[in-house]
Amino acid sequence: GEDVEQSLFLSVREGDSSVINCTYTDSSSTYLYWYKQEPGAGLQLLTYIFSNMDMKQDQRLTVLLNKKDKHLSLRIADTQTGDSAIYFCAESIPHGNNRLAFGKGNQVVVIP
Amino acid sequence: GAVVSQHPSRVICKSGTSVKIECRSLDFQATTMFWYRQFPKKSLMLMATSNEGSKATYEQGVEKDKFLINHASLTLSTLTVTSAHPEDSSFYICSARLAGNQETQYFGPGTRLLVL
Repeated sequence: GEDVEQSLFLSVREGDSSVINCTYTDSSSTYLYWYKQEPGAGLQLLTYIFSNMDMKQDQRLTVLLNKKDKHLSLRIADTQTGDSAIYFCAESIPHGNNRLAFGKGNQVVVIP
Repeated sequence: GAVVSQHPSRVICKSGTSVKIECRSLDFQATTMFWYRQFPKKSLMLMATSNEGSKATYEQGVEKDKFLINHASLTLSTLTVTSAHPEDSSFYICSARLAGNQETQYFGPGTRLLVL
């Protein structure tokens, strides 16, 4: 299966850390991604992690992957107002031309 | 690098007309492009996979005669919504994958279609 589950809404104060969670079902996924979508815009690739890694850090972003539980998380440190957006996790589907299956998205609202 | 553009960004048309949306990879060659549809406050739904020089592969439930896809070059794919109806109103987003790179898709800014 290719279901990707995400929670829906998160509000966070500026300067705090925010954590967004995602679960996926296809254990054959080779890459897992986090995308950011601002209102009325396309998707911006934030980061991705290879399935044989369990953590990846990229500046304020930390991705944790628990392959056993098929759980992916994104931590944003020192959250800023510009981080307000919808965040989508996605998994690549190797048997599907590496197309992406997206979660429902998680809206993050940063309160100044 | 890896910029994808879409044109137009926004279009309003009358019911029954056809609308063409272009997706271009500006600084790289893309053997594969993907077309997605997004409803308000919803996730992206893959409509079809477009491979340069061959027929597009449509997802289940997507009418290929309704949504015509042409991938004539390594930098351009087009989606034509034929005989558009109000229920086709949506946000259409394309993505492009670098030739030889299976890991990463780069997304266009999207096209907002409103059919009256």
